[in-house]
Amino acid sequence: GDSVTQMEGPVTLSEEAFLTINCTYTATGYPSLFWYVQYPGEGLQLLLKATKADDKGSNKGFEATYRKETTSFHLEKGSVQVSDSAVYFCALSDRQGAQKLVFGQGTRLTINP
Amino acid sequence: DAGVIQSPRHEVTEMGQEVTLRCKPISGHDYLFWYRQTMMRGLELLIYFNNNVPIDDSGMPEDRFSAKMPNASFSTLKIQPSEPRDSAVYFCASSHRTVNTGELFFGEGSRLTVL
Repeated sequence: GDSVTQMEGPVTLSEEAFLTINCTYTATGYPSLFWYVQYPGEGLQLLLKATKADDKGSNKGFEATYRKETTSFHLEKGSVQVSDSAVYFCALSDRQGAQKLVFGQGTRLTINP
Repeated sequence: DAGVIQSPRHEVTEMGQEVTLRCKPISGHDYLFWYRQTMMRGLELLIYFNNNVPIDDSGMPEDRFSAKMPNASFSTLKIQPSEPRDSAVYFCASSHRTVNTGELFFGEGSRLTVL
């Protein structure tokens, strides 16, 4: 079945560092891809998305490009802030008729001042 | 507008007891999802509804779990009898279009501890 694999955490960086969180997927069709973020004590919220190959999603300084050839959707940010500390989830949607998201395990990010 | 509302936020119960978690989706949303989050298994989809009808319950762990959506503004997830391995954070989410183009709106979760 469809699956998402994220780089294992936790990830700890200093403020203003460059961030990359790797995400690769396995899917039989042509899924849409998402990054969700979960701040402490809250539910998940959509950070960005891409619906087809070569699309780039972006929001709040974060970017991710849908790479069909490498089945990847890596999350990047050029300069992280303490407020970016959270758990980040990569996800895909199944276009084979089932309206649901498959999530990766999540990557915990901590930014130190 | 209010977001997805879940209750209770925290529940501590003893093994064998019945647990009922509640969810009020965002008004106008026609999809409702129940997810479970644990350290070991991450985020798992348990069941989802479209227009109050269960569409896919293949993620429901076993017969001890049941979910209902009697109307567009309310859903319950029930565990009877509960077991310690059911301890997790249960999230409800809703959306108003297919996930391919839309986004899921999550509640703050219900943290369940079964002793």
